[in-house]
Amino acid sequence: DAGITQSPRHKVTETGTPVTLRCHQTENHRYMYWYRQDPGHGLRLIHYSYGVKDTDKGEVSDGYSVSRSKTEDFLLTLESATSSQTSVYFCAISKLAGGTDTQYFGPGTRLTVL
Amino acid sequence: QKEVEQDPGPLSVPEGAIVSLNCTYSNSAFQYFMWYRQYSRKGPELLMYTYSSGNKEDGRFTAQVDKSSKYISLFIRDSQPSDSATYLCAMSETGNQFYFGTGTSLTVIP
Repeated sequence: DAGITQSPRHKVTETGTPVTLRCHQTENHRYMYWYRQDPGHGLRLIHYSYGVKDTDKGEVSDGYSVSRSKTEDFLLTLESATSSQTSVYFCAISKLAGGTDTQYFGPGTRLTVL
Repeated sequence: QKEVEQDPGPLSVPEGAIVSLNCTYSNSAFQYFMWYRQYSRKGPELLMYTYSSGNKEDGRFTAQVDKSSKYISLFIRDSQPSDSATYLCAMSETGNQFYFGTGTSLTVIP
């Protein structure tokens, strides 16, 4: 257990509305990540952060923004949700284990955009 | 071409069988290799990790990396119904950004 919580766990929203997902960690890890998981595509990186106010884009960043004002919180925002953003969103942290950096995941947020 | 290729299955085996799960990749700079297990409606759970080439064993699980062939494998011995899940491979060049396979769905039949 890497002490990662995500909120909300489920959300249904309408096209065009803004949505913010929250990831919270309790262990002060430097690296945090947002992924989306879709059938046939697996896990794809949206954005990641390597410190407070330090973020970078991943493979599928269009339509998403992130913010990290505190070490423990990493927010993902969909400025204007579209149906193509219906997905399961996972937050992850990078943690050193046995000399190797490994990723640990939160429980996920299931987002439906109608 | 995707960075990581993984056969989605589904794979169905009887209890006690040896299961072999595989991934291939195209980036020869990958040096961190992971296997995750994901139960339905849950987050991925780290199962095994290896750095560079070679084998690693943990109980009933063995991870193998063949960098010359750009091929990694996960073997599950004496498979149990509780092993029924989706298995994801993941790999990274730097240990900071990871690329995931699409996952292989495994069912172990009692």
